[in-house]
Amino acid sequence: NAGVTQTPKFRILKIGQSMTLQCTQDMNHNYMYWYRQDPGMGLKLIYYSVGAGITDKGEVPNGYNVSRSTTEDFPLRLELAAPSQTSVYFCASSWTGNNEQFFGPGTRLTVL
Amino acid sequence: EDQVTQSPEALRLQEGESSSLNCSYTVSGLRGLFWYRQDPGKGPEFLFTLYSAGEEKEKERLKATLTKKESFLHITAPKPEDSATYLCAVSTSGTYKYIFGTGTRLKVLA
Repeated sequence: NAGVTQTPKFRILKIGQSMTLQCTQDMNHNYMYWYRQDPGMGLKLIYYSVGAGITDKGEVPNGYNVSRSTTEDFPLRLELAAPSQTSVYFCASSWTGNNEQFFGPGTRLTVL
Repeated sequence: EDQVTQSPEALRLQEGESSSLNCSYTVSGLRGLFWYRQDPGKGPEFLFTLYSAGEEKEKERLKATLTKKESFLHITAPKPEDSATYLCAVSTSGTYKYIFGTGTRLKVLA
């Protein structure tokens, strides 16, 4: 099993550009999450999903959108990128809402 | 407000010098507490899950314990390869969200 995979690994965006961060898991997990990690700030939840077709906001959803059309995929969309969105983004998945989460390798995004 | 606090922020140990990392939490209803290890430039890697006060889990040089207010990650005779950031997270009643602490950066010197 590949686990949780994320693409791209690195990306530089200009202010106002848009992009989609891809996340795929092959463990048949129902629960998937998107976090951002800023230096010294810990992991902040952006959006999460409890199954295909069901998504909900986390702590810091502004400026982002998600969709969950399949169990495997949970893409994160950035519209009109801003410098405040410079961060490392992690996708994670779990069996239930009370099990350990498995994380992807992350996407390092810089907005200039 | 639900909160998770980890201490210390950073810790430097000599190889073989045992110590403990702390994760204190104030939540409305704890369902589970999780410990992760994160190496630079990588995603967090799961270590332990604890569900009830008094529970303990061990793996090699690491041992996690849980009380009603906090959890400890004990590191016995650490080696340089144990150097990493250790994250604590909790899941709470009534939500599918996990709350993460800001982590403890551990450096073990040879």
